[in-house]
Order: sequence, then structure tokens, then C-alpha cells
Amino acid sequence: AQRVTQPEKLLSVFKGAPVELKCNYSYSGSPELFWYVQYSRQRLQLLLRHISRESIKGFTADLNKGETSFHLKKPFAQEEDSAMYYCASRGNTDKLIFGTGTRLQVFP
Amino acid sequence: NAGVTQTPKFQVLKTGQSMTLQCAQDMNHNSMYWYRQDPGMGLRLIYYSASEGTTDKGEVPNGYNVSRLNKREFSLRLESAAPSQTSVYFCASGGQFSYEQYFGPGTRLTVT
Repeated sequence: AQRVTQPEKLLSVFKGAPVELKCNYSYSGSPELFWYVQYSRQRLQLLLRHISRESIKGFTADLNKGETSFHLKKPFAQEEDSAMYYCASRGNTDKLIFGTGTRLQVFP
Repeated sequence: NAGVTQTPKFQVLKTGQSMTLQCAQDMNHNSMYWYRQDPGMGLRLIYYSASEGTTDKGEVPNGYNVSRLNKREFSLRLESAAPSQTSVYFCASGGQFSYEQYFGPGTRLTVT
């Protein structure tokens, strides 16, 4: 069965510090991996997906098949990055499997 | 376009009461989903509908029923609410080959 693990419930950093939100997945095939973000009082929205290999709002995430990881990184955190971040994977169906989420707090 | 809409935004129920959460999307998506969000548990899929007329159980379907009324609407029903169903409920939709799911604003449900 697919599983997505986000080991950190809370990650606190100061503005300008690097950020890495960890995500590990278990899936025997080739999954699609995503990061979704939920800002305060806003709905959940897609941040990025591994296939697109793009940087969104300064965030990047690389799929590491050897380590079955898809960590989300940003070199310099901003206060507006404070939010709940969910890693998700999709196998061969339309269903997404979400991790438990990591709350990022960026202090001024 | 309104995207995905949900009603109500808030609801308080007593144990044993029933209610239906409504969801509608105007993006002509085939797939629709119901999730619940609980602290420390993330988002868990309750039910989903891959297309009009079909529904399937997700990870936590017990205590819930769904209806895919038409392509636009997907409702979630609690027949006999229990305190364990206190949660925030999100509806989402996605195209058949779309990698992105679009979420509604959520319904905060409290069962006392």
C-alpha cells in the first residue's frame, strides 16, 4: 500500500534561514509526488509536482528514488511561507495519499 | 468560476443527528473527493467518485455515505453523527488526467 511519511509536525525557522521539509514515500511503482500548501484561512492548493521540476515561490523538491524521498527545500525562508505543507503521492489511480503534514513557522 | 464550493462552512451536531455536506464544482471535472482533516492525521480520503454515477470507498468510509448527484455535485452524508466525526471536511475535484486536485474551503463540523 502507498504511504507518505512526514516526520516533522512542526518546523520553526527564522526569516532568511534555509528550510527543508521532509517527505518519504513507499510505493513499489513509479509514483507521482506533490507538495500541497495551506496558508492560514485559505484552501489547500498545489505548490509543486515532481514531474514539472520547477521552482514555485522559491521552493524546489527533487525526487530521490534511491531514498524514496521528496523533500521540499527553500534556501531563504520568508515570513509569508508560514503555512501547513502536505506531501502527497499518486500511484496508478486518481487518488492522492497525503502525509500528516508539517507546519512551517517562519519568525521575523 | 467559483471553483469548488462547500456548504455549510460550520456545523454543530448532537450525537445521533444526521446531516449532509454539499459540494459542487464548476470546472467540468470527472473526479470528486471527500477528505477529512484531523490534527496529526493529515488528510484522509473518505470517499471518491471517478465519474458521474460511480463512487468508491477511501481510507475511512465508515459512518459516511455519498451521492454523486450529477457531474457537478458530490454530497457527503452522516446518518448518525458521532463525536469521532468532529473534523474539518474538504471536498476536492480533479480532471480525469489531471495531476492537480482543487479543494473547497472546508466545513468545520463539531459533534457533541
